[in-house]
Amino acid sequence: GAVVSQHPSRVICKSGTSVKIECRSLDFQATTMFWYRQFPKQSLMLMATSNEGSKATYEQGVEKDKFLINHASLTLSTLTVTSAHPEDSSFYICSATAGGQGGHEQFFGPGTRLTVL
Amino acid sequence: DAKTTQPPSMDCAEGRAANLPCNHSTISGNEYVYWYRQIHSQGPQYIIHGLKNNETNEMASLIITEDRKSSTLILPHATLRDTAVYYCIVRDGGSNYKLTFGKGTLLTVNP
Repeated sequence: GAVVSQHPSRVICKSGTSVKIECRSLDFQATTMFWYRQFPKQSLMLMATSNEGSKATYEQGVEKDKFLINHASLTLSTLTVTSAHPEDSSFYICSATAGGQGGHEQFFGPGTRLTVL
Repeated sequence: DAKTTQPPSMDCAEGRAANLPCNHSTISGNEYVYWYRQIHSQGPQYIIHGLKNNETNEMASLIITEDRKSSTLILPHATLRDTAVYYCIVRDGGSNYKLTFGKGTLLTVNP
């Protein structure tokens, strides 16, 4: 299957700082990328959907000013957690799909574990 | 998207077939059945998907009942590395590619 990478895999930061997480599709062009959050022992929860070159669509309850998403190219999307607090500590996972003729499957990155002290 | 129901957990002996059921009784005609799995502390992995016909790939087989109200994912020869949470997801075939994850089934493969 297609490969999606995330960087960093793990980050620890102080409360009040901002953290940027990168998501890259390595061997295909992703028309759409998704960002999920997963708390311990819970399922994945979709945060937002982003299409290349347009603004992200956020799910209900997700603050767009706190979780900034940029999808500047067909292979890169970034999620910036601004002014992070301990309650933002979570496992953040991105996924990407080629869409259209490229197929409907979503391919997931390995995740980024964020710990806010 | 239609809701799915899966047992919270299942056990399987190593080397035996693992059959994971999923109920999706409200599925509509243009909705696909997708299966993903998530090994602990990793991102989900795509396994297989289907619409009406049974499907098979190198990882698993997907059996969909004729009325499409339920399906079974079959891992023919389970290994310890197949221990994971398995998610059955129903999604329409249009351009909305969103996946809604439920709680899934924790499959534990025992030696």
